[in-house]
Amino acid sequence: QSALTQPASVSGSPGQSITISCTGTSSDVGRYNYVSWYQQHPGKAPKLLIYDVSNRPSGVSNRFSGSKSGNTASLTISGLQAEDEADYYCSSYTSSNTLVFGTGTKVTVL
Amino acid sequence: QVQLVQSGSELKKPGASVKISCKASGYSFTNYAMTWVRQAPGQGLEWMGWVNTNAGNPTYAPDFTGRFVFSFDTSVRTAYLHINSLQAEDGAVYYCARDIARYGSGTVDYWGQGTLVTVAS
Repeated sequence: QSALTQPASVSGSPGQSITISCTGTSSDVGRYNYVSWYQQHPGKAPKLLIYDVSNRPSGVSNRFSGSKSGNTASLTISGLQAEDEADYYCSSYTSSNTLVFGTGTKVTVL
Repeated sequence: QVQLVQSGSELKKPGASVKISCKASGYSFTNYAMTWVRQAPGQGLEWMGWVNTNAGNPTYAPDFTGRFVFSFDTSVRTAYLHINSLQAEDGAVYYCARDIARYGSGTVDYWGQGTLVTVAS
């Protein structure tokens, strides 16, 4: 199972919106609405931001939103803040009853 | 509140074995599967597999069959990751993470703090 494809890096200025893509196949992202997004700050454990494509767990800022079209899922961060600087990973359930993570995206706040 | 507390860092020689523990609290241990994730230095997250802590049947990712074993002890609400015949490339941070379902659903909502395993002679 190959990792889902994410851009290596995305940057934006404070207050701007950025979007991170996550491209899979018809056996994972395209087949299931079980796409999640995680935020990881250096030296810390990942934190769940989005699950089931577009749902936010309690306590997660509404500046984070998710969507999906075909084999590509997306995470949008609006009103970018300095604290959003981190690595972001998508994941998807697969037709093999397994999980696959994305390659990861480093977000830089300019 | 839900907490997953992992055992401390390990320094092992090639060929040795290691056992990482993940103690759960704040929820019903057998109602949620446990997922294991590896993160090599400077690299991304790799899904290793999950174990149904009620039925006991583990699922391993293809790259983690053979030397990697998931187990658990419900009496102490603890999941374990055993790695046998350690190789240099096994050096990484290993995370346990709670799945939102009893079986592996693909969504994990709580993570342990991670355990660093270093393999060096």
